[in-house]
Formats: sequence, structure tokens, C-alpha cells
Amino acid sequence: KAGVTQTPRYLIKTRGQQVTLSCSPISGHRSVSWYQQTPGQGLQFLFEYFSETQRNKGNFPGRFSGRQFSNSRSEMNVSTLELGDSALYLCASSLSRAPDTQYFGPGTRLTVL
Amino acid sequence: EDQVTQSPEALRLQEGESSSLNCSYTVSGLRGLFWYRQDPGKGPEFLFTLYSAGEEKEKERLKATLTKKESFLHITAPKPEDSATYLCAVQDAGNMLTFGGGTRLMVKP
Repeated sequence: KAGVTQTPRYLIKTRGQQVTLSCSPISGHRSVSWYQQTPGQGLQFLFEYFSETQRNKGNFPGRFSGRQFSNSRSEMNVSTLELGDSALYLCASSLSRAPDTQYFGPGTRLTVL
Repeated sequence: EDQVTQSPEALRLQEGESSSLNCSYTVSGLRGLFWYRQDPGKGPEFLFTLYSAGEEKEKERLKATLTKKESFLHITAPKPEDSATYLCAVQDAGNMLTFGGGTRLMVKP
């Protein structure tokens, strides 16, 4: 069974630009969560989507948004990029909502110059 | 607000030297406690889920235990390939995971 896939794996952008990251969950998984990982803050929850609806949102500014499609694939968007947005963005999928094990993808490394 | 604290931040062991990693947590309505392993530049790899105090899970050289306030990841006779960052996370009534800062384990041959 294929794992969680994320594209692109690496991305370099400049301040002020916007970026869209993509996540394909494990087949059959309906919940997709997004996390930001930085050396200083560790892993922080961004948001969760289930059945195309945002169910939970972490403490991030409105520049961070996402959506989920009917096939459970998800995208997250960051507008007006700042230097501090440089991070590893991780997507995780689970069969359903809590309590359920989340399986992570390899991440997208975003560098903002 | 859910909180997870892992200790120590870093741990150096000789191959074969057993030890334990600690994960202390406060959460309203624990739905599950998760252990993940993360190698540099990669996503976290799922290891264990624990649901209630007293529960134990084992996998190869790893054993996870859970009490009402903390969890331990015991590593028996570690090998160099066990070197990684070990992450602990709690899940509350939503599907949100709150992670600890991780323990960076280095096992020398």
C-alpha cells in the first residue's frame, strides 16, 4: 500500500510570493492534517480536513489556508511568504478522526529567501 | 492547552547500553499517546499508539509504556541504526496531535 505522498519535495520562494503544497493520503484515508516543523518550534499543528471540511485549526495566521478535495487529496496555501515560513511542511493522513493513528508523508522543505 | 515535554533533549549511548526516554504530558481528555521516530530530512515514522494507563507495546528493541501523567520509551541493547529523533505526541478529543520537542538519540558502535 502506498504511503502518504507530498509534492513538491523542495521549494525555494522569495518573500511576498505565495506557495501551494500538495498531499495525497494513503488510499482509503479520509482525514488529512498539516503540520509545520522548524528547529525552534518543533512540530506544530496547522489544520485538519475531513470530508472536504476543515475540522480543526492551529494557531497560525490567516495567510495559511488549505482545502480538501472529494478524493481526499489536500492542498495547503501560504500567501505573502515571510522568512519565518521557512520550514518542513508535513502532511499526515488517518482513516477517520480521533482517536486514530496519523501516518506522515516525507514533507515539503520550503525555503523563503 | 495540551502540553508535552520530552526528556532528555539528547542522549548518547554506546551500542548495547539500554536506556529510557521520557514523555510527560497534560491533556484534557487523552484519546491516545503516540510515539514516532524521525530521521533527518524525513517525515515521522509511526511506532506505537497507547490508549490507557497501564498499557504496554513492544516492537523489536523498543517498548512503550503509559501512566496517567507520562510515557516511557525503553530501548534495550540499542544498535547504531536506532539513532534518530524520537517524538511523543498526545491526541485530545479532536484529531489534533500536540508534539513534544523530541529526544535526539545517538548510538555509537
